[in-house]
Amino acid sequence: NAGVTQTPKFRVLKTGQSMTLLCAQDMNHEYMYWYRQDPGMGLRLIHYSVGEGTTAKGEVPDGYNVSRLKKQNFLLGLESAAPSQTSVYFCASSTFSGHTEAFFGQGTRLTVV
Amino acid sequence: DQQVKQNSPSLSVQEGRISILNCDYTNSMFDYFLWYKKYPAEGPTFLISISSIKDKNEDGRFTVFLNKSAKHLSLHIVPSQPGDSAVYFCAAVISGSARQLTFGSGTQLTVLP
Repeated sequence: NAGVTQTPKFRVLKTGQSMTLLCAQDMNHEYMYWYRQDPGMGLRLIHYSVGEGTTAKGEVPDGYNVSRLKKQNFLLGLESAAPSQTSVYFCASSTFSGHTEAFFGQGTRLTVV
Repeated sequence: DQQVKQNSPSLSVQEGRISILNCDYTNSMFDYFLWYKKYPAEGPTFLISISSIKDKNEDGRFTVFLNKSAKHLSLHIVPSQPGDSAVYFCAAVISGSARQLTFGSGTQLTVLP
């Protein structure tokens, strides 16, 4: 059981380049999230999805876009990377039934130079 | 404006002693609270949670206490073990929402052998 898998694990981008981070979950969870972690700031929500075909903005959505074409996948896109987007990105998923915790992927370390 | 605050960036305790990690929140709409543990280069993993209708939840060596009137929760680890050394994040959720987690900035716990 893989849980939540993020691809890639590491990436270095030049300013202005674009890229897509892929998140896949095999738990049939309805909800999926993208967070970024920066030193001293905890994890902040970028975008989230409550189901296939739906997306919504979180706390820090600027400069990112997302898509959820399939229930198991949640993509995070950077159209024109900036040094301020250097961070560790975490994907998570959870279910709407009962009080259950969110499960996180292993993270993607992105450096924009 | 941080809605969930962990005011101690770090904590060191001796093996076998009690570790107490604290968390404060400002949003009275939060009704479910979680603690996550994070090792370097890994994603956060769920540790323990508590609903706002309770004031204590225990799971083995880990106990979470909730003081709603003070908007304060704490995680007690007894006895502390070297393997508990990690960053601990407090998180809060509003039930009925999309279960987005609002995180504190984390506390680095070091358990000294």
